[in-house]
Amino acid sequence: NAGVTQTPKFQVLKTGQSMTLQCAQDMNHEYMSWYRQDPGMGLRLIHYSVGAGITDQGEVPNGYNVSRSTTEDFPLRLLSAAPSQTSVYFCASSPSERGWVWAQYFGPGTRLLVL
Amino acid sequence: AQSVTQLDSQVPVFEEAPVELRCNYSSSVSVYLFWYVQYPNQGLQLLLKYLSGSTLVKGINGFEAEFNKSQTSFHLRKPSVHISDTAEYFCAVSRIQGAQKLVFGQGTRLTINP
Repeated sequence: NAGVTQTPKFQVLKTGQSMTLQCAQDMNHEYMSWYRQDPGMGLRLIHYSVGAGITDQGEVPNGYNVSRSTTEDFPLRLLSAAPSQTSVYFCASSPSERGWVWAQYFGPGTRLLVL
Repeated sequence: AQSVTQLDSQVPVFEEAPVELRCNYSSSVSVYLFWYVQYPNQGLQLLLKYLSGSTLVKGINGFEAEFNKSQTSFHLRKPSVHISDTAEYFCAVSRIQGAQKLVFGQGTRLTINP
């Protein structure tokens, strides 16, 4: 198993550009989530999904869109990038709503710089 | 809502010395508690978790943590650190009901000096 994979590893955007951060898992996990990590602030939940076709907002959802058309993929979209979205983004997955406390897996992260 | 405060942003210690990383949380409902470790340029890895039962929880790499409900704390300890323990450590909580959504502390950077 590859686990949780994220692409790209690094990205530089100009203000106003759009892009999609990709996240995929091959463990047939139901639950997937996106976090952003900023210095001195830990990780904050952006959006999460409890299964294909079901998504919900986390703590800091503004400026981000998500969709979950398959169990494996959970892309994060920035429609119009802003410098405040400069951050490191982590995707995570877990087997189910009940099983997540037993196994939650994080991807390696995507570093995003918005100029 | 839940919140987590990690009391030290940086902790320098000498190799083979003991270390304690402090974590306090706030919640009006029962919670699960976690410690994660992030090695340089890597994702997060679960060190240990408290779900219920014994308040002393043992994790990987010789770390342990003690849940203190009266003081709403979940401090992480290791009796003797190694250079390889240099990393950032995050304390996190989640509600038991309708969980999955982790709330993280700000992180503590542990630096081990030879």
